[in-house]
Amino acid sequence: DAGITQSPRYKITETGRQVTLMCHQTWSHSYMFWYRQDLGHGLRLIYYSAAADITDKGEVPDGYVVSRSKTENFPLTLESATRSQTSVYFCASSGTSGGEETQYFGPGTRLLVL
Amino acid sequence: GQQLNQSPQSMFIQEGEDVSMNCTSSSIFNTWLWYKQDPGEGPVLLIALYKAGELTSNGRLTAQFGITRKDSFLNISASIPSDVGIYFCAGTLNFGNEKLTFGTGTRLTIIP
Repeated sequence: DAGITQSPRYKITETGRQVTLMCHQTWSHSYMFWYRQDLGHGLRLIYYSAAADITDKGEVPDGYVVSRSKTENFPLTLESATRSQTSVYFCASSGTSGGEETQYFGPGTRLLVL
Repeated sequence: GQQLNQSPQSMFIQEGEDVSMNCTSSSIFNTWLWYKQDPGEGPVLLIALYKAGELTSNGRLTAQFGITRKDSFLNISASIPSDVGIYFCAGTLNFGNEKLTFGTGTRLTIIP
């Protein structure tokens, strides 16, 4: 089905483990984004990508790594998970920058770090 | 970084009532957006505002881009049960959706 998907939807891991969250979109959107959502903070931008092989830091990038080898995929890796990274993670995509394009959000991944 | 103050944090209303929420920023934005998030889902765009002073409607929803470019409000008229959820404002300096800053959300609950 067309759209933006995230996997896994739920993940439990332990402190210190590496975790990768996947994001896939079928619209060939140029822009993709990763947010985390925590109570009292709303959504905060972790990283974003303007195109394949182009990524940039958002508001809270520490402890995360991203890559964008293909336009449709934008994985987010927690290299050594910490309890403070327990959160709900949302991926989003949009068609262009500077135009009246909206960001479409995926369903989210709920991550618990023990 | 930029701060978006959204109020109220929560609202408890009866079906049929009108709802009003607002968002203020410490600095100017060129685009204001309003999103709704249902439980277990990602945010969905409701209304986008691109010009200071702009008033835009989407069904029972009306939003305005403040003339100072530092605030926006969202009104919902004649609320119905499916309006329940969390409403987020978001802003960006860019004329589009790059690097949005989100408010902390307004949780809307409808009392039977």
